[in-house]
Amino acid sequence: DAKTTQPPSMDCAEGRAANLPCNHSTISGNEYVYWYRQIHSQGPQYIIHGLKNNETNEMASLIITEDRKSSTLILPHATLRDTAVYYCIVRVILGSWGKLQFGAGTQVVVTP
Amino acid sequence: DAGVTQSPTHLIKTRGQQVTLRCSPKSGHDTVSWYQQALGQGPQFIFQYYEEEERQRGNFPDRFSGHQFPNYSSELNVNALLLGDSALYLCASSLAWALGYEQYFGPGTRLTVT
Repeated sequence: DAKTTQPPSMDCAEGRAANLPCNHSTISGNEYVYWYRQIHSQGPQYIIHGLKNNETNEMASLIITEDRKSSTLILPHATLRDTAVYYCIVRVILGSWGKLQFGAGTQVVVTP
Repeated sequence: DAGVTQSPTHLIKTRGQQVTLRCSPKSGHDTVSWYQQALGQGPQFIFQYYEEEERQRGNFPDRFSGHQFPNYSSELNVNALLLGDSALYLCASSLAWALGYEQYFGPGTRLTVT
């Protein structure tokens, strides 16, 4: 699976949009981009995933560049409960007994 | 609908002992994966079970073994515990993982080896 690069930390004001970047320049055509987050001392929580089209759900939006070498997770209206470590992961789906390969992630702190 | 449950929540063992951790997947899920998360690091994949067989394994020694039961629940066994085995052990379940469904994680078991 391709490697990802994320900033180690970022701050966001409550109520504002949080834009979390992820670089995956070696991504293959059959690899999806996944985002998980982990609130302190809890298990990781799935947020969203996508292949090449932008995706949106009740938690967030995922914007993938046309060349698929980078993506951005957008939390539209950050709250204090969004403070967590956010992980960007790329992996093959079909034909793969896939593991999730977590990196160090981005520590997001939402401030009042 | 209960999510992924794990037991126990906390455990303290002595170096050299053996430990068994348990996981019940989310209702309807058939695939279980185990991860180890050391303090300050991201989770590291240990292995994955489907239809009672180990399907994929991460870079962990044979001291780490597992089992999946017909009801899809799973156990993680660690023999000859080392101080470095102290970590949060996470179980994740999914449905037909090879088709791309997301994994749901349990709250984890905090293992401390003294």
